[in-house]
Amino acid sequence: DAGVIQSPRHEVTEMGQEVTLRCKPISGHNSLFWYRQTMMRGLELLIYFNNNVPIDDSGMPEDRFSAKMPNASFSTLKIQPSEPRDSAVYFCASSGGGGRMNTEAFFGQGTRLTVV
Amino acid sequence: KNQVEQSPQSLIILEGKNCTLQCNYTVSPFSNLRWYKQDTGRGPVSLTIMTFSENTKSNGRYTATLDADTKQSSLHITASQLSDSASYICVVSGYGNNRLAFGKGNQVVVIP
Repeated sequence: DAGVIQSPRHEVTEMGQEVTLRCKPISGHNSLFWYRQTMMRGLELLIYFNNNVPIDDSGMPEDRFSAKMPNASFSTLKIQPSEPRDSAVYFCASSGGGGRMNTEAFFGQGTRLTVV
Repeated sequence: KNQVEQSPQSLIILEGKNCTLQCNYTVSPFSNLRWYKQDTGRGPVSLTIMTFSENTKSNGRYTATLDADTKQSSLHITASQLSDSASYICVVSGYGNNRLAFGKGNQVVVIP
Protein backbone atom coordinates (compact mmCIF):
# COMPACT_ATOMS: atom_id res chain seq x y z
CA ASP A 1 0.00 0.00 0.00
CA ALA A 2 1.30 3.48 -0.84
CA GLY A 3 0.13 4.88 2.47
CA VAL A 4 -2.02 7.95 2.93
CA ILE A 5 -1.80 10.14 -0.16
CA GLN A 6 -2.36 13.86 0.00
CA SER A 7 -2.48 16.43 -2.76
CA PRO A 8 -1.22 18.91 -3.51
CA ARG A 9 2.05 18.83 -1.54
CA HIS A 10 2.32 22.59 -1.71
CA GLU A 11 -0.31 25.26 -2.33
CA VAL A 12 0.18 29.00 -2.56
CA THR A 13 -2.95 31.07 -2.95
CA GLU A 14 -4.15 34.59 -2.56
CA MET A 15 -6.28 35.69 0.35
CA GLY A 16 -9.96 35.23 -0.41
CA GLN A 17 -9.51 32.31 -2.78
CA GLU A 18 -10.99 28.89 -2.23
CA VAL A 19 -8.56 26.11 -1.35
CA THR A 20 -9.29 22.38 -1.58
CA LEU A 21 -6.99 19.80 -0.04
CA ARG A 22 -7.37 16.15 -0.96
CA CYS A 23 -6.69 12.89 0.81
CA LYS A 24 -6.77 9.22 -0.10
CA PRO A 25 -6.64 7.04 3.02
CA ILE A 26 -5.06 3.63 3.26
CA SER A 27 -7.31 1.02 1.71
CA GLY A 28 -9.38 -0.77 4.32
CA HIS A 29 -9.03 1.92 6.98
CA ASN A 30 -12.38 3.15 8.25
CA SER A 31 -11.29 6.26 10.15
CA LEU A 32 -9.90 9.44 8.62
CA PHE A 33 -8.51 12.48 10.38
CA TRP A 34 -7.62 16.00 9.27
CA TYR A 35 -4.94 17.86 11.27
CA ARG A 36 -3.37 21.28 11.05
CA GLN A 37 0.18 21.96 12.21
CA THR A 38 1.81 25.32 12.90
CA MET A 39 4.90 26.32 14.81
CA MET A 40 2.86 28.22 17.36
CA ARG A 41 0.14 25.68 18.07
CA GLY A 42 1.68 22.36 17.07
CA LEU A 43 -0.65 19.64 15.80
CA GLU A 44 -4.39 20.22 16.08
CA LEU A 45 -7.15 17.78 15.19
CA LEU A 46 -9.68 19.50 12.96
CA ILE A 47 -12.18 16.75 12.22
CA TYR A 48 -12.42 13.00 12.00
CA PHE A 49 -14.66 10.61 10.11
CA ASN A 50 -15.63 7.05 10.87
CA ASN A 51 -17.08 5.01 8.01
CA ASN A 52 -17.36 8.24 5.97
CA VAL A 53 -19.47 9.96 8.63
CA PRO A 54 -18.13 13.04 10.44
CA ILE A 55 -17.91 12.15 14.12
CA ASP A 56 -16.26 15.16 15.71
CA ASP A 57 -15.72 18.48 13.95
CA SER A 58 -15.21 20.55 17.09
CA GLY A 59 -11.66 21.31 16.02
CA MET A 60 -12.71 23.06 12.83
CA PRO A 61 -11.73 26.67 13.47
CA GLU A 62 -14.68 28.40 11.82
CA ASP A 63 -17.32 28.17 9.14
CA ARG A 64 -14.81 28.90 6.42
CA PHE A 65 -13.56 25.34 6.89
CA SER A 66 -15.51 22.34 5.66
CA ALA A 67 -14.65 18.68 5.13
CA LYS A 68 -16.33 15.92 3.21
CA MET A 69 -15.82 12.22 2.75
CA PRO A 70 -18.03 11.10 -0.14
CA ASN A 71 -16.64 7.55 -0.08
CA ALA A 72 -14.19 5.36 1.77
CA SER A 73 -11.27 6.26 -0.48
CA PHE A 74 -11.46 10.04 -0.70
CA SER A 75 -11.81 13.11 1.49
CA THR A 76 -11.49 16.84 0.99
CA LEU A 77 -10.83 19.76 3.28
CA LYS A 78 -11.99 23.07 1.86
CA ILE A 79 -11.25 26.59 3.02
CA GLN A 80 -13.43 29.33 1.57
CA PRO A 81 -12.44 32.12 1.67
CA SER A 82 -8.85 31.56 2.69
CA GLU A 83 -6.97 33.95 4.97
CA PRO A 84 -3.24 34.39 5.68
CA ARG A 85 -3.69 32.91 9.19
CA ASP A 86 -4.74 29.66 7.56
CA SER A 87 -1.16 29.15 6.41
CA ALA A 88 -0.02 25.86 7.91
CA VAL A 89 0.74 22.26 7.06
CA TYR A 90 -2.42 20.18 6.82
CA PHE A 91 -2.13 16.47 7.47
CA CYS A 92 -4.54 13.70 6.71
CA ALA A 93 -4.29 10.43 8.64
CA SER A 94 -6.19 7.16 8.57
CA SER A 95 -6.58 4.22 10.90
CA GLY A 96 -8.41 0.93 11.07
CA GLY A 97 -9.63 1.43 14.60
CA GLY A 98 -13.30 2.02 13.92
CA GLY A 99 -13.21 5.56 15.24
CA ARG A 100 -11.45 4.73 18.48
CA MET A 101 -8.65 7.13 19.18
CA ASN A 102 -6.42 4.53 20.78
CA THR A 103 -5.50 2.86 17.52
CA GLU A 104 -2.50 3.88 15.47
CA ALA A 105 -3.06 6.50 12.82
CA PHE A 106 -0.91 6.67 9.71
CA PHE A 107 -0.16 10.12 8.40
CA GLY A 108 0.21 11.43 4.88
CA GLN A 109 3.06 13.70 3.85
CA GLY A 110 0.98 16.81 4.38
CA THR A 111 -0.01 19.82 2.28
CA ARG A 112 1.90 23.01 2.99
CA LEU A 113 -0.55 25.86 2.46
CA THR A 114 0.58 29.44 2.13
CA VAL A 115 -2.03 32.17 1.85
CA VAL A 116 -0.62 35.52 0.78
CA LYS B 1 -2.90 25.63 29.60
CA ASN B 2 -1.95 22.83 27.26
CA GLN B 3 -2.86 19.39 28.54
CA VAL B 4 0.46 17.98 27.29
CA GLU B 5 3.75 19.71 28.03
CA GLN B 6 7.02 18.53 26.53
CA SER B 7 10.55 19.42 27.54
CA PRO B 8 13.09 20.39 26.51
CA GLN B 9 11.64 22.32 23.59
CA SER B 10 14.82 21.66 21.65
CA LEU B 11 18.21 20.09 22.19
CA ILE B 12 21.40 19.40 20.32
CA ILE B 13 23.32 16.20 21.01
CA LEU B 14 26.47 14.60 19.66
CA GLU B 15 26.15 11.53 17.52
CA GLY B 16 26.47 8.41 19.65
CA LYS B 17 25.23 10.04 22.84
CA ASN B 18 21.98 9.26 24.65
CA CYS B 19 19.18 11.69 25.39
CA THR B 20 15.87 11.71 27.22
CA LEU B 21 12.75 13.66 26.29
CA GLN B 22 10.00 14.41 28.79
CA CYS B 23 6.23 14.56 28.45
CA ASN B 24 3.93 15.64 31.30
CA TYR B 25 0.19 15.51 30.87
CA THR B 26 -2.99 16.36 32.73
CA VAL B 27 -5.43 14.37 30.58
CA SER B 28 -7.81 12.41 32.79
CA PRO B 29 -9.10 9.78 32.69
CA PHE B 30 -6.18 8.41 30.75
CA SER B 31 -6.37 5.88 27.94
CA ASN B 32 -3.01 5.78 26.20
CA LEU B 33 0.06 7.78 25.30
CA ARG B 34 1.93 7.76 22.03
CA TRP B 35 5.26 9.06 20.88
CA TYR B 36 5.57 10.11 17.26
CA LYS B 37 8.70 10.98 15.30
CA GLN B 38 8.31 13.65 12.65
CA ASP B 39 11.11 14.23 10.17
CA THR B 40 11.30 17.64 8.54
CA GLY B 41 8.76 17.90 5.74
CA ARG B 42 7.13 14.58 6.57
CA GLY B 43 4.12 13.37 8.48
CA PRO B 44 4.46 11.97 12.01
CA VAL B 45 5.27 8.29 12.37
CA SER B 46 4.31 6.31 15.44
CA LEU B 47 7.18 5.03 17.61
CA THR B 48 5.36 3.59 20.61
CA ILE B 49 1.92 3.44 22.16
CA MET B 50 1.48 2.75 25.87
CA THR B 51 -1.63 2.02 27.86
CA PHE B 52 -2.27 2.52 31.55
CA SER B 53 -0.79 -0.79 32.60
CA GLU B 54 2.47 -0.48 30.67
CA ASN B 55 5.56 1.04 32.27
CA THR B 56 8.07 0.71 29.47
CA LYS B 57 8.13 -0.14 25.80
CA SER B 58 10.99 -0.26 23.35
CA ASN B 59 11.25 0.19 19.61
CA GLY B 60 14.85 -0.36 18.58
CA ARG B 61 16.98 2.39 20.11
CA TYR B 62 13.87 4.18 21.38
CA THR B 63 12.55 3.33 24.84
CA ALA B 64 9.44 4.96 26.25
CA THR B 65 8.46 4.92 29.91
CA LEU B 66 5.16 5.80 31.51
CA ASP B 67 4.23 6.67 35.08
CA ALA B 68 0.46 6.98 35.07
CA ASP B 69 0.42 8.00 38.73
CA THR B 70 2.55 11.09 38.17
CA LYS B 71 1.27 11.53 34.62
CA GLN B 72 4.74 11.55 33.14
CA SER B 73 6.34 9.84 30.19
CA SER B 74 9.83 9.88 28.79
CA LEU B 75 11.39 8.84 25.51
CA HIS B 76 15.00 7.72 25.70
CA ILE B 77 17.14 7.61 22.59
CA THR B 78 20.19 5.37 22.89
CA ALA B 79 23.36 5.84 20.84
CA SER B 80 21.87 8.64 18.76
CA GLN B 81 22.32 8.72 15.01
CA LEU B 82 22.12 11.59 12.57
CA SER B 83 18.80 10.18 11.36
CA ASP B 84 17.33 10.76 14.83
CA SER B 85 17.24 14.48 14.08
CA ALA B 86 13.52 15.17 14.13
CA SER B 87 10.63 16.46 16.21
CA TYR B 88 9.24 14.01 18.75
CA ILE B 89 5.59 14.54 19.59
CA CYS B 90 3.79 13.20 22.65
CA VAL B 91 0.06 12.51 22.14
CA VAL B 92 -2.27 11.55 24.97
CA SER B 93 -5.69 9.98 24.52
CA GLY B 94 -8.40 10.40 27.09
CA TYR B 95 -10.54 7.43 28.07
CA GLY B 96 -14.14 7.50 26.97
CA ASN B 97 -14.13 10.91 25.37
CA ASN B 98 -12.33 10.00 22.16
CA ARG B 99 -10.20 13.14 22.22
CA LEU B 100 -6.49 13.59 21.68
CA ALA B 101 -4.17 16.10 23.34
CA PHE B 102 -0.93 16.96 21.56
CA GLY B 103 2.35 18.24 22.86
CA LYS B 104 4.22 20.78 20.77
CA GLY B 105 7.14 18.44 20.34
CA ASN B 106 10.78 18.10 21.28
CA GLN B 107 13.08 19.23 18.48
CA VAL B 108 16.20 17.04 18.47
CA VAL B 109 19.27 17.82 16.39
CA VAL B 110 22.05 15.24 16.28
CA ILE B 111 25.41 16.56 15.14
CA PRO B 112 28.45 14.55 14.05
